[in-house]
Amino acid sequence: QPVLTQPPSASASLGATVTLTCTLSSGYSNYKVDWYQQRPGKGPRFVMRVGTGGIVGSKGDGIPDRFSVLGSGLNRYLTIKNIQEEDESDYHCGADHGTGSNFVWVFGGGTKLTVL
Amino acid sequence: EVQLLESGGGLVQPGGSLRLSCAASGFTFSSYAMSWVRQAPGKGLGWVSVISGSGGSTFYADSVKGRFTISRDNSKNTLYLQMNSLRAEDTAVYYCANGRGRADIWGQGTMVTVSS
Repeated sequence: QPVLTQPPSASASLGATVTLTCTLSSGYSNYKVDWYQQRPGKGPRFVMRVGTGGIVGSKGDGIPDRFSVLGSGLNRYLTIKNIQEEDESDYHCGADHGTGSNFVWVFGGGTKLTVL
Repeated sequence: EVQLLESGGGLVQPGGSLRLSCAASGFTFSSYAMSWVRQAPGKGLGWVSVISGSGGSTFYADSVKGRFTISRDNSKNTLYLQMNSLRAEDTAVYYCANGRGRADIWGQGTMVTVSS
């Protein structure tokens, strides 16, 4: 099954641009990854799915155009432009792996984004 | 309004049992696989279990296999998680989510604390 790796923290100034990275373990370069936003004390919120060709499907409800994704090799990126105070959250990436008789859903450790 | 509402969390002693519920509204519950995902204090997300829309197929994380049982009542639009032989490491906020892998809807979570 894949392992997802995220840096524990990131920071950016108000109005700046930040890119968060989720790295798949070797051998899983064709896997799609889902990004979730989690504000303090709240449940996760689906942002969007990303593969090597970019976004897969639609963004989650209410996700602003400032949010975009890219995929390259083992890396899946979430970019936030013109960062706002409300973007300060934990961002998790997740991927599912199923073989018919088995299923696992794995997550990265999450990245805490601080808006300066 | 599309909503998931968890309940049933609380303080339980090691070795004890607890049953979580998740009430769904605003979408066709029986059409969706449903999952439980947990988050230990200060940690990332961890998948627990998933059940198909009909209830006929279930999968579990290795850490809970044999101790937890997922079920659903589509007539009541409710998802359940029966947790037995609880351990300190099961302490977490438990979220229900619609989907198997990608989940567009998440609840606010219910806290389970396993401690003597």
